[in-house]
Amino acid sequence: GNSVTQMEGPVTLSEEAFLTINCTYTATGYPSLFWYVQYPGEGLQLLLKATKADDKGSNKGFEATYRKETTSFHLEKGSVQVSDSAVYFCALRKAGTASKLTFGTGTRLQVTL
Amino acid sequence: EPEVTQTPSHQVTQMGQEVILRCVPISNHLYFYWYRQILGQKVEFLVSFYNNEISEKSEIFDDQFSVERPDGSNFTLKIRSTKLEDSAMYFCASSERGNEQFFGPGTRLTVL
Repeated sequence: GNSVTQMEGPVTLSEEAFLTINCTYTATGYPSLFWYVQYPGEGLQLLLKATKADDKGSNKGFEATYRKETTSFHLEKGSVQVSDSAVYFCALRKAGTASKLTFGTGTRLQVTL
Repeated sequence: EPEVTQTPSHQVTQMGQEVILRCVPISNHLYFYWYRQILGQKVEFLVSFYNNEISEKSEIFDDQFSVERPDGSNFTLKIRSTKLEDSAMYFCASSERGNEQFFGPGTRLTVL
């Protein structure tokens, strides 16, 4: 079946550091890929998405590129801020459907001054 | 901005009791979902609901669970006889056309 593997956290960075959170997936066909973010006390919010190979999703300075050859969708940001402290979830969904999201375990990011 | 809301934010119950978790999806959305996250584990899919019926469910969603859309606004998850292992954060989500899913803030269920 489909699955998503994320790097374990917590990830602790200083403000303005470069962020990478690794995500790899196992799926048949060409799933859509997502990053969701959960700020403390809030629900999951869609951060960015990509629906086909080589697509780059981007939002709020975060980027991720859909790499079919390595089955990866790593999240990156060039310069993190304290306000980016949250839990980040990688997820996939079968292409072209209204079906369920399959999530990774989530990676907690803590950014300090 | 429209958002998904969930009540209560925290529910404490005794093992064997029934609980109903409530969600108000975004008003023009047609697809509804429940997920849960046991502490420290993955967010897991429970069930999806479209056109007044279940469209997909996971193996977790056994006979103890049911969903209902009792009126035009609420979407509920009922657990008939709670077990200790049902303790988790339960998330509701909705989607307009089955594309982007919008999540609520979750209900933390604690079964004692």
